[in-house]
Amino acid sequence: DAGITQSPRYKITETGRQVTLMCHQTWSHSYMFWYRQDLGHGLRLIYYSAAADITDKGEVPDGYVVSRSKTENFPLTLESATRSQTSVYFCASSERTPNEQYFGPGTRLTVT
Amino acid sequence: EDKVVQSPLSLVVHEGDTVTLNCSYEVTNFRSLLWYKQEKKAPTFLFMLTSSGIEKKSGRLSSILDKKELFSILNITATQTGDSAIYLCAVEGNAGKSTFGDGTTLTVKP
Repeated sequence: DAGITQSPRYKITETGRQVTLMCHQTWSHSYMFWYRQDLGHGLRLIYYSAAADITDKGEVPDGYVVSRSKTENFPLTLESATRSQTSVYFCASSERTPNEQYFGPGTRLTVT
Repeated sequence: EDKVVQSPLSLVVHEGDTVTLNCSYEVTNFRSLLWYKQEKKAPTFLFMLTSSGIEKKSGRLSSILDKKELFSILNITATQTGDSAIYLCAVEGNAGKSTFGDGTTLTVKP
């Protein structure tokens, strides 16, 4: 499928578990981003990447790990999930900057 | 710390009304300001503004940026129920790093 996809779309996990959210884009965009959106709030940047093997922290990186070994993939790992990480997670990509970002459909994560 | 503030946080209008949404910002190394629309799913792009005073327009929606006063407005004329959504303002700095506001929730009643 062309575009940007996320998996899983819904995930329930327990406190303390490790969970990985996947993001895949087919455009070969250089830039990729992970955001979280909590109820009543806008998007907060967790991590971003300007190219394969280049990642940097965003506004709220604590408790998260990213990697980008291939241009098209940008997985986000919660090393030890906490209830405060219950949120909707959006992955996005952009061909260049400044430019619009294209968002994936989101992953709704619940940590019990 | 980069900051984006949107106002109002929510707005209820009737079809046919005109609305103005506000976005003010403080950001290091400003590169662009973007508006997105979010309807119960992923945000979709509306406008990107990089220069002051140049209005971007698409149908009933328009937006303008004031880089001196550090704000932007999004206007929607002749609102329709399909305009009901959260409108997000984002400011982009270096390397695509974007800071979003909390959004304005617009409800358009028939």
